[in-house]
Amino acid sequence: GENVEQHPSTLSVQEGDSAVIKCTYSDSASNYFPWYKQELGKRPQLIIDIRSNVGEKKDQRIAVTLNKTAKHFSLHITETQPEDSAVYFCAASMGNFNKFYFGSGTKLNVKP
Amino acid sequence: GAVVSQHPSRVICKSGTSVKIECRSLDFQATTMFWYRQFPKKSLMLMATSNEGSKATYEQGVEKDKFLINHASLTLSTLTVTSAHPEDSSFYICSAFTSGSTDTQYFGPGTRLTVL
Repeated sequence: GENVEQHPSTLSVQEGDSAVIKCTYSDSASNYFPWYKQELGKRPQLIIDIRSNVGEKKDQRIAVTLNKTAKHFSLHITETQPEDSAVYFCAASMGNFNKFYFGSGTKLNVKP
Repeated sequence: GAVVSQHPSRVICKSGTSVKIECRSLDFQATTMFWYRQFPKKSLMLMATSNEGSKATYEQGVEKDKFLINHASLTLSTLTVTSAHPEDSSFYICSAFTSGSTDTQYFGPGTRLTVL
C-alpha cells in the first residue's frame, strides 16, 4: 500500500517568515495530494490540493509543489501569521473515492 | 461547503460496554465515508472505508468484529466499538465525499472516546 512520509515533525518560525513542509509518497498510482490544517481539538480542514497533472498550485499565501518523478510534494506558506499555527497533514490518494493515506503531521508554531 | 456531523462529540464508558458513533452528511449524499482514528499528537490512521449498502472494507490490523461499521443510507454511517477496553480510548473521526467531487473529503468534528 501507499506510504506517506512527512517532515519536519515540528517547525517553529518567526511571524512573517516562510514555512515549508515536505512529503514523499511511495505509490506512483497516487494522483491527488491534499493538505489539511488541524487546529487543536478541531477537525482537519482542507487548505489546498494538487493533482498529478499539475506541478504547482497557489492560493494567496499558500502554495503546493509536486514532483512526480521524485514522488514528493511540498507545502509553502509565505508571510506566516500566528493564526497559521496548527498541525498540518499531507495526504495521498488515487482519487475517485479511493482511500487517503496521511503523513505523520507537522506542528507549525509561528512566533509573534 | 459540505457539512459532516458526528455524534456524540465526547463519550465516557465502562470497560466491556459498546459505544455507537454516528457520522452524518448534512447537506449532501455521501456514497463513501471513511473512519479514522487519531492518537494524541499523531496522524490520522485509516480504519475502514464505508460504502452505502455494502460491507465496509477494513484496513490491515483493524478488527472488523471489534469495530462494526454500518452505512445504512447515503447520509449516515455508524461505527460501533464493541466490548470497549481502555486501549480503545482515542479520537475517532469520519469523513465523507460530496457527490459533486470525487477527490475532496470533508471531515466530521470527531468523537473523543474514553474507556474507563
